[in-house]
Amino acid sequence: GQNIDQPTEMTATEGAIVQINCTYQTSGFNGLFWYQQHAGEAPTFLSYNVLDGLEEKGRFSSFLSRSKGYSYLLLKELQMKDSASYLCAAADSNYQLIWGAGTKLIIKP
Amino acid sequence: GAGVSQSPSNKVTEKGKDVELRCDPISGHTALYWYRQRLGQGLEFLIYFQGNSAPDKSGLPSDRFSAERTGESVSTLTIQRTQQEDSAVYLCASSLRRNSGRSYNEQFFGPGTRLTVL
Repeated sequence: GQNIDQPTEMTATEGAIVQINCTYQTSGFNGLFWYQQHAGEAPTFLSYNVLDGLEEKGRFSSFLSRSKGYSYLLLKELQMKDSASYLCAAADSNYQLIWGAGTKLIIKP
Repeated sequence: GAGVSQSPSNKVTEKGKDVELRCDPISGHTALYWYRQRLGQGLEFLIYFQGNSAPDKSGLPSDRFSAERTGESVSTLTIQRTQQEDSAVYLCASSLRRNSGRSYNEQFFGPGTRLTVL
């Protein structure tokens, strides 16, 4: 079957760095997405990886290893507004997104 | 604005009643998706429309659920004979087209409809 695993909840301190991991098993693979979802709001796109390696975009970076079925989202210089759920989603052979349950990130001052 | 809009934002209904949820995608987006998100859980794919092609209904949980879309415009999701387990946020998203080859097309989400079945 198809499956996405990510931690349920993480806590970090303002100004610090946090890494949110995601492992996936899909029928075929056509890329890995990360979305941010603030409580009560719609998800918003953060990043897309289809090739191995690290993609950096400001304070956020996303990494992919296709051979390991693994990705992580790295958030630097954490701000209170980064408190949100972070959703990992993998595109399968039909380009349908398989979504993880999300990681709730709590930022403490 | 020019984003995805959904209505109503909240819907409270009694068990057994039918409900209709509406989604207005971003103009020009050929792909439209419906998802269900239960409290504290991830997104559950329901149905996907791409232009005038036959929709991908593989995620619909039962025959009580149906959706329509005319061309590349508005879509409606209908839930008949609602049950308490249907209570969730129903999210609609649109993209230029479904991903293919090396290109990807970001999905833009609407604010969702929070459905509560009493």
